[in-house]
Amino acid sequence: AQSVAQPEDQVNVAEGNPLTVKCTYSVSGNPYLFWYVQYPNRGLQFLLKYITGDNLVKGSYGFEAEFNKSQTSFHLKKPSALVSDSALYFCAVRERSGNTPLVFGKGTRLSVIA
Amino acid sequence: GAGVSQSPSNKVTEKGKDVELRCDPISGHTALYWYRQRLGQGLEFLIYFQGNSAPDKSGLPSDRFSAERTGESVSTLTIQRTQQEDSAVYLCASSIPGQSYEQYFGPGTRLTVT
Repeated sequence: AQSVAQPEDQVNVAEGNPLTVKCTYSVSGNPYLFWYVQYPNRGLQFLLKYITGDNLVKGSYGFEAEFNKSQTSFHLKKPSALVSDSALYFCAVRERSGNTPLVFGKGTRLSVIA
Repeated sequence: GAGVSQSPSNKVTEKGKDVELRCDPISGHTALYWYRQRLGQGLEFLIYFQGNSAPDKSGLPSDRFSAERTGESVSTLTIQRTQQEDSAVYLCASSIPGQSYEQYFGPGTRLTVT
């Protein structure tokens, strides 16, 4: 069975500092990996995905994530946080075989403090 | 172009009543998903439609939940005899078929069962 763990419910970071939101996954075979962001009273917005190729993927709003197969991780990063990055972030995974739906982590709330 | 739309945005209902939630996917997106997001939780998969194939209903929590889709467009999620534990945000997503494609989410319907 697929699963996603986001070990931190809350991450606080000062504006201008680098941020990391952690994600580890469990899936049979090689995964497709996704990050989504949810602003208050809004639906989820796609940030980035790992399909194949370079382990470092770049996405919207200056975010990037690194796929680490040996550690089964896909941590989200940004070199310099903005107050406007404050939101709820979800990591998601799906298997490459079949038409399985996305499996989401429980989310990490990021607060960027001015 | 228009994104995924959902209606109503908010629904308050009394315990025991039936409710219908609507989703209009992005035009041309033949895959459609329903998820449930309880307060402080991640997204739970409910049901998945792909073209004319039989839907994947494996995530529906009980037989009170059902969903229909008209061709490759509108979908309706019906909850019969609502219970307080059904209170959640119900999110719809659509995508181009293919496992690597990201899902695009609607703003959700916030259901409150009193």
